[in-house]
Amino acid sequence: DQQVKQNSPSLSVQEGRISILNCDYTNSMFDYFLWYKKYPAEGPTFLISISSIKDKNEDGRFTVFLNKSAKHLSLHIVPSQPGDSAVYFCAASAVNRDDKIIFGKGTRLHILP
Amino acid sequence: GAVVSQHPSRVICKSGTSVKIECRSLDFQATTMFWYRQFPKKSLMLMATSNEGSKATYEQGVEKDKFLINHASLTLSTLTVTSAHPEDSSFYICSARETGTSPLHFGNGTRLTVT
Repeated sequence: DQQVKQNSPSLSVQEGRISILNCDYTNSMFDYFLWYKKYPAEGPTFLISISSIKDKNEDGRFTVFLNKSAKHLSLHIVPSQPGDSAVYFCAASAVNRDDKIIFGKGTRLHILP
Repeated sequence: GAVVSQHPSRVICKSGTSVKIECRSLDFQATTMFWYRQFPKKSLMLMATSNEGSKATYEQGVEKDKFLINHASLTLSTLTVTSAHPEDSSFYICSARETGTSPLHFGNGTRLTVT
């Protein structure tokens, strides 16, 4: 049972435009959500997170939106840059229950020149 | 920012041998570290949670006698793949965090190839 779903395995966006990566979750106990970026043969790098008490968190070009009623979150990158080409993992955890962080399968973002 | 160092980055071993992978938190103390395995085109799969000074907690389906985890100090956890087989070939990644609500910081992973 996949608790964190990233239904788009890949996404291509023109440089300078907005990239929107989507993520859905099924476990209503999740209260902390994160996005990680991963280059080939490297470990994931933390990008941005959001607690369930918020619906938006912004950090530079990266903004995460959380819609709890829809169990959906999204990562917006604007403007998209060539260095943003990577695999992006959505992750979720239930902080007050255990330490586990559950990852989605990832979305490969390709920024087109 | 917090740094997690993982060593080695690549290892090739023969079937039947054992391989040890180290994970160190360089600038913070981590009472809990996590070990993940990534299959091609698949998500990061949590293998086990490593707790300093106590036994690791393994996820369902992960053989604890095959994947030995030791968390000897607040900055070091090791994963030993015992009697490795070709199907153990994978990308293994460790992670750690300072507190229960801080993000995980990942090592750069270890590419294990068993011939």
